[in-house]
Amino acid sequence: DAKTTQPPSMDCAEGRAANLPCNHSTISGNEYVYWYRQIHSQGPQYIIHGLKNNETNEMASLIITEDRKSSTLILPHATLRDTAVYYCIVRVPQDTGTASKLTFGTGTRLQVTL
Amino acid sequence: DTGVSQNPRHKITKRGQNVTFRCDPISEHNRLYWYRQTLGQGPEFLTYFQNEAQLEKSRLLSDRFSAERPKGSFSTLEIQRTEQGDSAMYLCASSPKVVFNEQFFGPGTRLTVL
Repeated sequence: DAKTTQPPSMDCAEGRAANLPCNHSTISGNEYVYWYRQIHSQGPQYIIHGLKNNETNEMASLIITEDRKSSTLILPHATLRDTAVYYCIVRVPQDTGTASKLTFGTGTRLQVTL
Repeated sequence: DTGVSQNPRHKITKRGQNVTFRCDPISEHNRLYWYRQTLGQGPEFLTYFQNEAQLEKSRLLSDRFSAERPKGSFSTLEIQRTEQGDSAMYLCASSPKVVFNEQFFGPGTRLTVL
């Protein structure tokens, strides 16, 4: 799986958009970008994934650059409950002959403040 | 609650003792994963089951570690002759056999080896 680079920490005011960047310059053509988050003392939680088109769900939006070498996770209106470590993971989807384990880095610790 | 459950949530043991953790995945999920997470790090993959078959093991899974999923439902992870370096959060995740589907994580078992 391609390596990802994320800033170690970010702050965001409650109610504002949180924009979390991720670099994955060695991503290959069949690899997807996945985002998970881990709230303190809980297991990781899936947020969103994408290949090359921008994606949006009820939790967040994912913007992937045209060259696919970087992406941004956007939480449109951050709340205190969004305080967590956010992991950007690049992987092939499962059912392609691999176990499709998740390879986590150290992620970005997002602190949402009042 | 129909999520992934893990028991116990916390385990304190003395060095040299054996410990066993249990994971109950979401009922219709045929894929089950074990991860280990130490303080300040992202989770690291340990092993993966598809139904009852253990299909992949990480190099992190030394011969003191053994995992089973005897009937393709719940899974157990046993650590023999525990060492202080085994202190970590042990996370279980499950996913259905469908392309792109995310892994659902349990709350983890925190192991402390004294």
